Amino acid sequence: EVQLVQSGAEVKKPGESLKISCQGSGYTFTSHWIAWVRQMPGKGLEWMGFMNPANSDTRYSPSFQGQVTISADKSINTAYLQWSSLKASDTAMYYCARSDGPTWGIWGQGTVVTVSS
Amino acid sequence: QSALTQPPSASGSPGQSVTISCTGTSSDVGGYNYVSWYQQYPGKAPKLMIYEVTKRPSGVPDRFSGSRSGNTASLTVAGLQAEDEADYYCSSYTGSLHVFGTGTKVSVL
Repeated sequence: EVQLVQSGAEVKKPGESLKISCQGSGYTFTSHWIAWVRQMPGKGLEWMGFMNPANSDTRYSPSFQGQVTISADKSINTAYLQWSSLKASDTAMYYCARSDGPTWGIWGQGTVVTVSS
Repeated sequence: QSALTQPPSASGSPGQSVTISCTGTSSDVGGYNYVSWYQQYPGKAPKLMIYEVTKRPSGVPDRFSGSRSGNTASLTVAGLQAEDEADYYCSSYTGSLHVFGTGTKVSVL
């Protein structure tokens, strides 16, 4: 079965760093792009960025450029979303998704990130 | 890069049809055959319902259909059922990135 499994919920303080993960299974990890999507509480979906795990080609949506880092470890079929200094406004649900051509058909279950002092 | 414009809400009675619009520009919706629609229940991950403007993934009921005219794409849900009550988002390729719509809450009266 093709699936993406994300890491568990996180509670952090402002200024702390964080790295959440998305592990793919049931398919060739390097054959499909991975995207990250933010959903703030009660709000809509936002594409954050996209990575090709085969060559680490990474593209960020303008709103997220410089705010987060997307990376991957091909050896363990895992993609990451990372913050160096969290803000309260980073509180959200984060989803990873796998490409099928220009479409995103497989989604992770989501990771809740709460940033509060 | 602005979000695509969707109506905040839409509704219909069971058995009726509802159509949701998604308005963009010639740089996204009107420029590429890569418009998708996603269904999302509260607290759940989005589910792909339509891709490449009109195509349905395996397992999605044929009550769901997609179309496009110019810079506006549409999702039609025919024969509304209670389980169709959810949030729906369109998404379009923009040439290098993707952009979501603002989202529409569909209610079944």
